[in-house]
Amino acid sequence: DQQVKQNSPSLSVQEGRISILNCDYTNSMFDYFLWYKKYPAEGPTFLISISSIKDKNEDGRFTVFLNKSAKHLSLHIVPSQPGDSAVYFCAASPNSGNTPLVFGKGTRLSVIA
Amino acid sequence: DAGVTQSPTHLIKTRGQQVTLRCSPKSGHDTVSWYQQALGQGPQFIFQYYEEEERQRGNFPDRFSGHQFPNYSSELNVNALLLGDSALYLCASSLGPREGTEAFFGQGTRLTVV
Repeated sequence: DQQVKQNSPSLSVQEGRISILNCDYTNSMFDYFLWYKKYPAEGPTFLISISSIKDKNEDGRFTVFLNKSAKHLSLHIVPSQPGDSAVYFCAASPNSGNTPLVFGKGTRLSVIA
Repeated sequence: DAGVTQSPTHLIKTRGQQVTLRCSPKSGHDTVSWYQQALGQGPQFIFQYYEEEERQRGNFPDRFSGHQFPNYSSELNVNALLLGDSALYLCASSLGPREGTEAFFGQGTRLTVV
């Protein structure tokens, strides 16, 4: 039973446009959400996080939106750059206090120049 | 500042053998978690070590065991290897248990069981 779902295995976006990556979760106990980016032959790199007390968190070109009632979050990248091409993982945990992360399967983003 | 380092980067083992993977956490971090990432899947939590003890464990059999040393480095041991154990094994370090701490991952060890 997958608790964190990323239903789009891949996404292609033109350089300069917005990339929107989606994530759904089923466990109501999840209270803290993170996005990681992964290049081939490297480990996942932390991008941005959000706790359930917020509905939006912004860091430069990256914004994460959380809709708790819908159990849905999304990552917006504006403007998209070729260097953003990677696999993006959504992860969740019951709190931010260093509890294990539950990951989705990832979405491969390709930004086309 | 060295990040999380894992060794070896790749290895090939035969079914039934035993393997040990190693991880050095990011400087200043005291908690190490291990994840298994099968092909086409997201990382799955194996277990977490803090203060040299296993604190939390995911849904993995007892064939998977670990250890944390006084310098916070860690080992993951897998006994009686199965073909299905072929995966990328990721180590993550963090400060714990503390609020608002993010996990930093190593580059992983690619294990192939033949």
